[in-house]
Amino acid sequence: GAGVSQSPSNKVTEKGKDVELRCDPISGHTALYWYRQSLGQGLEFLIYFQGNSAPDKSGLPSDRFSAERTGGSVSTLTIQRTQQEDSAVYLCASSSRGSRANVLTFGAGSRLTVL
Amino acid sequence: KQEVTQIPAALSVPEGENLVLNCSFTDSAIYNLQWFRQDPGKGLTSLLLIQSSQREQTSGRLNASLDKSSGRSTLYIAASQPGDSATYLCATESYSNYQLIWGAGTKLIIKP
Repeated sequence: GAGVSQSPSNKVTEKGKDVELRCDPISGHTALYWYRQSLGQGLEFLIYFQGNSAPDKSGLPSDRFSAERTGGSVSTLTIQRTQQEDSAVYLCASSSRGSRANVLTFGAGSRLTVL
Repeated sequence: KQEVTQIPAALSVPEGENLVLNCSFTDSAIYNLQWFRQDPGKGLTSLLLIQSSQREQTSGRLNASLDKSSGRSTLYIAASQPGDSATYLCATESYSNYQLIWGAGTKLIIKP
C-alpha cells in the first residue's frame, strides 16, 4: 500500500482480556518498529524488526507483550491479560534500511483503552 | 541513558509570527536527530532529519539546527499559519542501536 496501515484504529477491552494489534508496513520496507504513546508523553520504544534478523525486544515492558512479523511484512503486537496501564496509542513505523539514516513512515496508530 | 526534553509543552502564537521550538538531549553521541509533526488521529510525519555531521536542514518554511556540543536542536518555523497547528516531536537516534529516544513534544497552536 501507499502507507503504513494499522488496525484496529480503536480498541476498547476489559481488563484481563487479550488484544492483537496489526501493522501492515510499506511494501519493501525491511525495518519495522512498534512504539507506545501514553497521554502527554513521548513515544516509548517497544520492539524493532529488521529483515530476517532476530528482533530487538528490549523495549517490551513485560512478558505479557509479544510481537511477530510474518514473512518479513505484516506484524502483530499481542498484549495478554491487559491492564489499565496498557491504555495508550500503539504506533507502528517502517523504513527502508538501505542506509542508516532513513526516515520513518508511521501508521495512524491503534488507540487501546482498557476498562 | 539518553533523555530528550522539549520545552515548552505548549505554545500559542498569532498567525504570521516566526517561532522557535526547542529540543535538548543529554547524550551528545547521537547518530541523527529528527523532527516530526503529529496531528490528532493521524500518524507522525517526518519533517526534517539532521545527521550528526550536519548543522542544519531546511524544508520550505522549516529550518532545523543541531548543536551536538550543547545538546540542543531548534526547529524554526517562518511565517506561521493555522495549518501549522500540531504537536511537534523531536527524537534522537544513537550509534549503538536503532531505537529513537523521543521528547514529549510541543503542542503548537497558531491563532488566525
